[in-house]
Amino acid sequence: EAGVTQFPSHSVIEKGQTVTLRCDPISGHDNLYWYRRVMGKEIKFLLHFVKESKQDESGMPNNRFLAERTGGTYSTLKVQPAELEDSGVYFCASSPFGGARETQYFGPGTRLLVL
Amino acid sequence: SQQGEEDPQALSIQEGENATMNCSYKTSINNLQWYRQNSGRGLVHLILIRSNEREKHSGRLRVTLDTSKKSSSLLITASRAADTASYFCATDAWSSGNTGKLIFGQGTTLQVKP
Repeated sequence: EAGVTQFPSHSVIEKGQTVTLRCDPISGHDNLYWYRRVMGKEIKFLLHFVKESKQDESGMPNNRFLAERTGGTYSTLKVQPAELEDSGVYFCASSPFGGARETQYFGPGTRLLVL
Repeated sequence: SQQGEEDPQALSIQEGENATMNCSYKTSINNLQWYRQNSGRGLVHLILIRSNEREKHSGRLRVTLDTSKKSSSLLITASRAADTASYFCATDAWSSGNTGKLIFGQGTTLQVKP
């Protein structure tokens, strides 16, 4: 069974540009989460989807971040316009339906560097 | 405020020795999970322990949970060089509602010398 995949693995952009990150959860997993780790800080929750619905987006830092999960399969996280402080590693995780309190399986992360 | 805090921040041991990492948290939890991250790689799930459990084992890993002290420990026995990684505890707090979002500690960096 394929794990959680993320694309791209790395992205280097200039301040003010737009970047879109993609996450493909494990097939059949209804719960999808986005987390990020900025330099020197702990991994922090961004938001949670159940299928295509946003259940909790309390961790989204500001309105420059937009997450979507059309059709309840893969998800995208767009940062527009990117700022220097957005640099970090963005992780996606998934867990099965009814498994919001179960093991979350993480992807390898996307390393974003904003110059 | 940070839910999970880990101790020590860094640990260096010789191959074959045991490594113990501790995690403390602040609020009531549903479960606590331990993850490993090798340098530049993703998070690998190690163990999930529920709030009504006190101890779990998986291979060379042993996790304990003391909800009265709001703390957990991860013991790696007979360590190997391949265990070199960062280890994170993550809590699923009751205050999070039904979202299951995890709150991570800063992590412990373990170095196992051959």
